[in-house]
Amino acid sequence: QQPVQSPQAVILREGEDAVINCSSSKALYSVHWYRQKHGEAPVFLMILLKGGEQKGHEKISASFNEKKQQSSLYLTASQLSYSGTYFCGTESNTGKLIFGQGTTLQVKP
Amino acid sequence: DTEVTQTPKHLVMGMTNKKSLKCEQHMGHRAMYWYKQKAKKPPELMFVYSYEKLSINESVPSRFSPECPNSSLLNLHLHALQPEDSALYLCASSQGFRGAAEAFFGQGTRLTVV
Repeated sequence: QQPVQSPQAVILREGEDAVINCSSSKALYSVHWYRQKHGEAPVFLMILLKGGEQKGHEKISASFNEKKQQSSLYLTASQLSYSGTYFCGTESNTGKLIFGQGTTLQVKP
Repeated sequence: DTEVTQTPKHLVMGMTNKKSLKCEQHMGHRAMYWYKQKAKKPPELMFVYSYEKLSINESVPSRFSPECPNSSLLNLHLHALQPEDSALYLCASSQGFRGAAEAFFGQGTRLTVV
Protein backbone atom coordinates (compact mmCIF):
# COMPACT_ATOMS: atom_id res chain seq x y z
CA GLN A 1 0.00 0.00 0.00
CA GLN A 2 1.36 3.38 -1.05
CA PRO A 3 2.57 5.67 1.76
CA VAL A 4 1.08 9.14 1.97
CA GLN A 5 3.31 12.19 1.80
CA SER A 6 2.59 15.75 2.86
CA PRO A 7 2.74 18.45 1.77
CA GLN A 8 2.43 17.86 -1.99
CA ALA A 9 4.50 20.93 -2.78
CA VAL A 10 6.70 23.41 -0.95
CA ILE A 11 8.24 26.69 -2.08
CA LEU A 12 11.08 28.08 -0.01
CA ARG A 13 13.60 30.87 -0.07
CA GLU A 14 17.24 29.94 0.32
CA GLY A 15 18.12 29.43 3.94
CA GLU A 16 14.62 28.47 5.04
CA ASP A 17 13.70 25.13 6.57
CA ALA A 18 11.17 22.53 5.50
CA VAL A 19 9.69 19.31 6.80
CA ILE A 20 8.26 16.57 4.61
CA ASN A 21 6.10 13.89 6.18
CA CYS A 22 5.41 10.31 5.21
CA SER A 23 2.89 7.95 6.77
CA SER A 24 1.79 4.40 6.20
CA SER A 25 -1.11 2.29 7.36
CA LYS A 26 1.07 -0.84 7.40
CA ALA A 27 3.70 -1.90 9.90
CA LEU A 28 7.03 -0.81 8.48
CA TYR A 29 10.45 -2.38 8.46
CA SER A 30 12.19 0.62 6.97
CA VAL A 31 11.62 4.06 5.48
CA HIS A 32 13.75 5.39 2.63
CA TRP A 33 14.05 8.95 1.37
CA TYR A 34 15.10 9.84 -2.18
CA ARG A 35 15.34 13.03 -4.18
CA GLN A 36 14.74 13.14 -7.90
CA LYS A 37 15.55 16.08 -10.12
CA HIS A 38 13.80 16.53 -13.41
CA GLY A 39 15.07 14.07 -16.00
CA GLU A 40 17.37 12.31 -13.54
CA ALA A 41 17.33 9.14 -11.48
CA PRO A 42 16.21 9.13 -7.85
CA VAL A 43 19.14 9.65 -5.49
CA PHE A 44 19.33 8.08 -2.05
CA LEU A 45 19.20 10.45 0.93
CA MET A 46 18.40 8.45 4.04
CA ILE A 47 17.22 5.10 5.31
CA LEU A 48 15.65 4.58 8.70
CA LEU A 49 15.28 1.09 10.02
CA LYS A 50 12.99 -0.36 12.61
CA GLY A 51 14.91 -0.33 15.86
CA GLY A 52 16.45 3.08 15.39
CA GLU A 53 19.32 2.56 12.97
CA GLN A 54 19.81 5.30 10.41
CA LYS A 55 22.05 5.61 7.39
CA GLY A 56 22.37 8.61 5.18
CA HIS A 57 24.01 11.88 4.33
CA GLU A 58 25.37 14.05 7.10
CA LYS A 59 23.40 17.14 6.10
CA ILE A 60 20.09 15.33 5.97
CA SER A 61 18.12 14.41 9.05
CA ALA A 62 14.99 12.39 9.45
CA SER A 63 12.91 10.69 12.09
CA PHE A 64 10.95 7.45 12.18
CA ASN A 65 8.11 6.92 14.62
CA GLU A 66 7.62 3.16 14.56
CA LYS A 67 4.46 3.21 16.62
CA LYS A 68 2.74 5.66 14.33
CA GLN A 69 4.39 4.34 11.12
CA GLN A 70 5.41 7.87 10.28
CA SER A 71 8.62 9.46 9.11
CA SER A 72 9.68 13.05 8.61
CA LEU A 73 12.52 14.49 6.55
CA TYR A 74 14.07 17.70 7.83
CA LEU A 75 15.69 20.07 5.35
CA THR A 76 17.46 22.90 7.12
CA ALA A 77 19.07 26.03 5.67
CA SER A 78 17.85 25.04 2.23
CA GLN A 79 20.00 25.62 -0.83
CA LEU A 80 19.05 25.96 -4.47
CA SER A 81 20.39 22.44 -5.04
CA TYR A 82 17.72 21.04 -2.72
CA SER A 83 15.06 21.64 -5.36
CA GLY A 84 13.47 18.50 -6.73
CA THR A 85 10.86 15.92 -5.91
CA TYR A 86 11.25 14.03 -2.65
CA PHE A 87 9.93 10.52 -2.36
CA CYS A 88 9.60 8.42 0.72
CA GLY A 89 9.73 4.69 0.17
CA THR A 90 8.41 2.21 2.66
CA GLU A 91 9.17 -1.45 3.07
CA SER A 92 7.36 -3.89 5.31
CA ASN A 93 9.88 -6.73 5.35
CA THR A 94 8.61 -8.18 2.08
CA GLY A 95 11.27 -6.82 -0.24
CA LYS A 96 8.83 -4.37 -1.80
CA LEU A 97 10.01 -0.78 -1.70
CA ILE A 98 6.89 1.26 -2.42
CA PHE A 99 7.10 5.01 -2.99
CA GLY A 100 4.79 7.77 -1.89
CA GLN A 101 3.35 10.20 -4.41
CA GLY A 102 6.18 12.68 -3.92
CA THR A 103 6.67 16.20 -2.56
CA THR A 104 7.89 18.84 -4.96
CA LEU A 105 10.32 21.28 -3.36
CA GLN A 106 11.29 24.52 -5.05
CA VAL A 107 13.98 26.69 -3.49
CA LYS A 108 14.15 30.24 -4.77
CA PRO A 109 17.05 32.69 -4.43
CA ASP B 1 32.01 1.92 -8.81
CA THR B 2 28.61 2.94 -7.47
CA GLU B 3 26.84 3.07 -10.78
CA VAL B 4 23.88 1.30 -12.21
CA THR B 5 24.08 1.52 -15.98
CA GLN B 6 21.01 1.25 -18.17
CA THR B 7 20.90 0.96 -21.93
CA PRO B 8 19.53 2.29 -24.11
CA LYS B 9 18.75 5.74 -22.71
CA HIS B 10 15.94 6.27 -25.18
CA LEU B 11 13.87 3.75 -27.11
CA VAL B 12 11.05 4.16 -29.59
CA MET B 13 9.26 0.99 -30.58
CA GLY B 14 6.19 -0.04 -32.45
CA MET B 15 3.44 -2.12 -30.93
CA THR B 16 4.55 -5.22 -32.83
CA ASN B 17 8.25 -4.90 -32.03
CA LYS B 18 10.35 -6.90 -29.61
CA LYS B 19 13.02 -5.03 -27.71
CA SER B 20 15.05 -5.42 -24.53
CA LEU B 21 16.21 -3.06 -21.83
CA LYS B 22 19.49 -3.77 -20.13
CA CYS B 23 20.73 -2.97 -16.64
CA GLU B 24 24.19 -3.61 -15.22
CA GLN B 25 25.80 -3.10 -11.82
CA HIS B 26 29.20 -4.11 -10.47
CA MET B 27 28.68 -3.34 -6.80
CA GLY B 28 28.06 -6.94 -5.81
CA HIS B 29 24.44 -6.18 -5.03
CA ARG B 30 22.21 -9.24 -4.83
CA ALA B 31 18.86 -7.51 -5.13
CA MET B 32 17.82 -5.87 -8.39
CA TYR B 33 14.61 -4.08 -9.28
CA TRP B 34 12.62 -2.80 -12.23
CA TYR B 35 10.44 0.26 -11.73
CA LYS B 36 8.16 2.09 -14.14
CA GLN B 37 7.72 5.83 -13.77
CA LYS B 38 5.16 8.00 -15.52
CA ALA B 39 5.55 11.77 -15.65
CA LYS B 40 4.95 13.48 -12.30
CA LYS B 41 4.33 10.13 -10.62
CA PRO B 42 6.44 8.03 -8.23
CA PRO B 43 8.40 5.01 -9.41
CA GLU B 44 6.08 2.00 -9.49
CA LEU B 45 7.57 -1.37 -8.58
CA MET B 46 7.39 -4.03 -11.29
CA PHE B 47 9.82 -6.83 -10.43
CA VAL B 48 12.33 -7.76 -7.75
CA TYR B 49 15.17 -10.23 -8.18
CA SER B 50 16.98 -11.59 -5.17
CA TYR B 51 20.08 -13.72 -5.72
CA GLU B 52 19.22 -13.96 -9.41
CA LYS B 53 15.77 -15.38 -8.74
CA LEU B 54 12.52 -13.59 -9.35
CA SER B 55 11.06 -12.95 -5.93
CA ILE B 56 8.37 -10.37 -6.63
CA ASN B 57 6.18 -9.77 -9.67
CA GLU B 58 3.73 -6.96 -9.04
CA SER B 59 1.12 -8.44 -11.37
CA VAL B 60 2.88 -7.02 -14.39
CA PRO B 61 1.38 -7.94 -17.81
CA SER B 62 3.18 -10.76 -19.59
CA ARG B 63 4.25 -8.42 -22.40
CA PHE B 64 6.99 -7.46 -19.93
CA SER B 65 9.39 -10.33 -19.27
CA PRO B 66 12.31 -9.91 -16.85
CA GLU B 67 15.48 -11.92 -16.94
CA CYS B 68 18.51 -12.07 -14.67
CA PRO B 69 21.31 -13.87 -16.54
CA ASN B 70 23.84 -13.33 -13.72
CA SER B 71 24.32 -11.33 -10.56
CA SER B 72 25.40 -8.20 -12.44
CA LEU B 73 22.85 -8.10 -15.23
CA LEU B 74 19.13 -7.55 -15.40
CA ASN B 75 17.11 -7.44 -18.60
CA LEU B 76 13.56 -6.49 -19.36
CA HIS B 77 12.19 -8.00 -22.56
CA LEU B 78 9.38 -6.11 -24.21
CA HIS B 79 6.87 -7.49 -26.67
CA ALA B 80 3.58 -6.23 -28.08
CA LEU B 81 3.53 -3.16 -25.89
CA GLN B 82 0.76 -0.59 -25.83
CA PRO B 83 1.10 3.20 -26.08
CA GLU B 84 0.17 3.48 -22.39
CA ASP B 85 3.36 1.54 -21.58
CA SER B 86 5.36 4.59 -22.60
CA ALA B 87 7.27 5.68 -19.50
CA LEU B 88 10.66 5.93 -17.86
CA TYR B 89 11.88 2.47 -16.86
CA LEU B 90 14.25 2.51 -13.93
CA CYS B 91 16.53 -0.24 -12.76
CA ALA B 92 17.85 -0.27 -9.21
CA SER B 93 20.04 -2.48 -7.08
CA SER B 94 20.73 -2.80 -3.38
CA GLN B 95 23.13 -4.63 -1.11
CA GLY B 96 20.49 -6.11 1.07
CA PHE B 97 17.10 -7.53 0.54
CA ARG B 98 14.05 -6.56 2.59
CA GLY B 99 14.72 -2.84 2.58
CA ALA B 100 17.76 -2.84 4.82
CA ALA B 101 19.99 -0.99 2.39
CA GLU B 102 19.72 1.93 0.03
CA ALA B 103 18.76 1.39 -3.57
CA PHE B 104 20.98 2.76 -6.31
CA PHE B 105 19.06 3.78 -9.41
CA GLY B 106 20.17 3.85 -12.99
CA GLN B 107 19.40 6.85 -15.19
CA GLY B 108 16.55 4.98 -16.79
CA THR B 109 15.37 4.16 -20.28
CA ARG B 110 12.78 6.51 -21.67
CA LEU B 111 10.46 4.31 -23.69
CA THR B 112 7.99 5.54 -26.26
CA VAL B 113 5.55 3.08 -27.82
CA VAL B 114 4.07 4.22 -31.11
